[in-house]
Amino acid sequence: AQKVTQAQTEISVVEKEDVTLDCVYETRDTTYYLFWYKQPPSGELVFLIRRNSFDEQNEISGRYSWNFQKSTSSFNFTITASQVVDSAVYFCALSEPSGTYKYIFGTGTRLKVLA
Amino acid sequence: EAGVVQSPRYKIIEKKQPVAFWCNPISGHNTLYWYRQNLGQGPELLIRYENEEAVDDSQLPKDRFSAERLKGVDSTLKIQPAELGDSAVYLCASSSDRVHGYTFGSGTRLTVV
Repeated sequence: AQKVTQAQTEISVVEKEDVTLDCVYETRDTTYYLFWYKQPPSGELVFLIRRNSFDEQNEISGRYSWNFQKSTSSFNFTITASQVVDSAVYFCALSEPSGTYKYIFGTGTRLKVLA
Repeated sequence: EAGVVQSPRYKIIEKKQPVAFWCNPISGHNTLYWYRQNLGQGPELLIRYENEEAVDDSQLPKDRFSAERLKGVDSTLKIQPAELGDSAVYLCASSSDRVHGYTFGSGTRLTVV
């Protein structure tokens, strides 16, 4: 069965600290896509990144970076020098092209960045 | 470009009443999704449309939920009658390429009392 686990329910950090959000996934497919979304208090889900299963290169975008490791089925997300505006719920999701194209979301990690 | 537009933003209804949500996807996006997000959970797919055809509605509780996408553009999701357990955020998303990441709307927060 396909599953996404975000074990960290809530994380609090002080502004300018680095923080890593964990994501572990389960799938039987060899081809799949992983995503991270941000959900601020306003409610919409904001797309952050997509990674396909054949591309294990880490990616950096400004203060954001992602570490994809197929060997451990993990797709972790790090925010460097966190800011108050980073406070949100972050969701990791798995999509399988061979299936229904639906996303399997984790339960989310609520990040609170304190000034 | 305009994003995915949903209305209303909030809705409070009494149980057993009907309710409808509306979604206008991004222009040119052929695929439209309705997701339900319960409190403290990630979104779960209810139905997916390719143009006007519902290609995956296996998760839609068909006894009380219905959806339509007229002319392959706007979509409406209806609940009749609503139950207390239907309280959730209903999210609409659209995409032109299934693997590039959806664009989500701001959602409709439904409270059934």
